[in-house]
Amino acid sequence: QTVVTQEPSLTVSPGGTVTLTCASSTGAVTSGYYPNWFQQKPGQAPRALIYSTSNKHSWTPARFSGSLLGGKAALTLSGVQPEDEAEYYCLLYYGGAQTWVFGGGTKLTVL
Amino acid sequence: EVQLVQSGAEVKKPGESLKISCKGSGYSFTSYWIGWVRQMPGKGLEWMGIIYPGDSDTRYSPSFQGQVTISADKSISTAYLQWSSLKASDTAMYYCATPQDWGQGTLVTVSS
Repeated sequence: QTVVTQEPSLTVSPGGTVTLTCASSTGAVTSGYYPNWFQQKPGQAPRALIYSTSNKHSWTPARFSGSLLGGKAALTLSGVQPEDEAEYYCLLYYGGAQTWVFGGGTKLTVL
Repeated sequence: EVQLVQSGAEVKKPGESLKISCKGSGYSFTSYWIGWVRQMPGKGLEWMGIIYPGDSDTRYSPSFQGQVTISADKSISTAYLQWSSLKASDTAMYYCATPQDWGQGTLVTVSS
């Protein structure tokens, strides 16, 4: 059973910078896992932020960026805003099984 | 404007069958995969499976293989998620999603 691991929770001050990571139980995450990142606020459907490691959707704020960092996928928020308080999920593709797996989510608190 | 509009909330009893839907508009329905995602109360997102409406090629997460059926009718731009025999543990919000967009979710409650 493949497991994708994220930090359960992180806290950041308004205006600060925070990096969320996404690790795979199978080893280092590479671009071949096509990492995606999603934001979900309470009572709302998730919203896509990043696809294929670092590509932004047209609605993704510039302060969000995706990358690979130390064998993990990473989502960095620079200049955090209060409205960024949310749950963030990564999604990885496993080509061998042709399946996708979500991480457990990171609850980001802006305080 | 791309829209994924899901069918309404359902309340069912254990053992009953159910089919929920997701209608796509504003884009080429057959050109993008549609996935289904489960979110149990207070829990995270779980990827269930995807379908390519163009040829109905379907892939399931091992956790959901044999538990649900994903299908699509490209003539009406609609994808489906169905159960033949619901369990209380199927109580959850179910979302459909394309690579960029998500439906509003369908709440399924299974209770005797």
